[in-house]
Amino acid sequence: EADIYQTPRYLVIGTGKKITLECSQTMGHDKMYWYQQDPGMELHLIHYSYGVNSTEKGDLSSESTVSRIRTEHFPLTLESARPSHTSQYLCASSESHLDTEAFFGQGTRLTVV
Amino acid sequence: DQQVKQNSPSLSVQEGRISILNCDYTNSMFDYFLWYKKYPAEGPTFLISISSIKDKNEDGRFTVFLNKSAKHLSLHIVPSQPGDSAVYFCAAVVGAGSYQLTFGKGTKLSVIP
Repeated sequence: EADIYQTPRYLVIGTGKKITLECSQTMGHDKMYWYQQDPGMELHLIHYSYGVNSTEKGDLSSESTVSRIRTEHFPLTLESARPSHTSQYLCASSESHLDTEAFFGQGTRLTVV
Repeated sequence: DQQVKQNSPSLSVQEGRISILNCDYTNSMFDYFLWYKKYPAEGPTFLISISSIKDKNEDGRFTVFLNKSAKHLSLHIVPSQPGDSAVYFCAAVVGAGSYQLTFGKGTKLSVIP
């Protein structure tokens, strides 16, 4: 059973607000990821981390930023939310070994009005 | 340019029959493939994977087949159960340890009782 948690599950926020989406895992995984998914579309990698103080941008350009100060915590921040940021954001983690699957959190559905 | 394609957005199958979900890919560098299952408002859950050195992997009711020459993989579920109704995502990665997954758009499976 996966132990990876995202908060909040749902968020409706006004344009221009700063938001932070939380993601925590208790499995001690080194690798963590943020994916973005629009309805009916594929998941796109927007950020990933291979360990503490390591962050990289993914394939899909995003105005969000991430930090990895602790192994278990990988928050995503939008400094100024816009309606185009409305989407589902999924956090995942995995071990560093080969042939291991990524465990996903339940996701945060963000709506910017 | 979609590197992982799931050309059937939806599939309906009678309970007890076989469900076959298909996935095509274009990047010949992909060497590890995974299937995820996703319920509404939940994060994806890992289902089954296959390495490019194999052509079949079986886990209970789920079997994944890989045809490297055709760049095609399929997920077979037999017998199908109503609880299998979900969106199934095919994903691929270059180098199993890197874990930057490229996802397809998903196929919504409905198993009719």
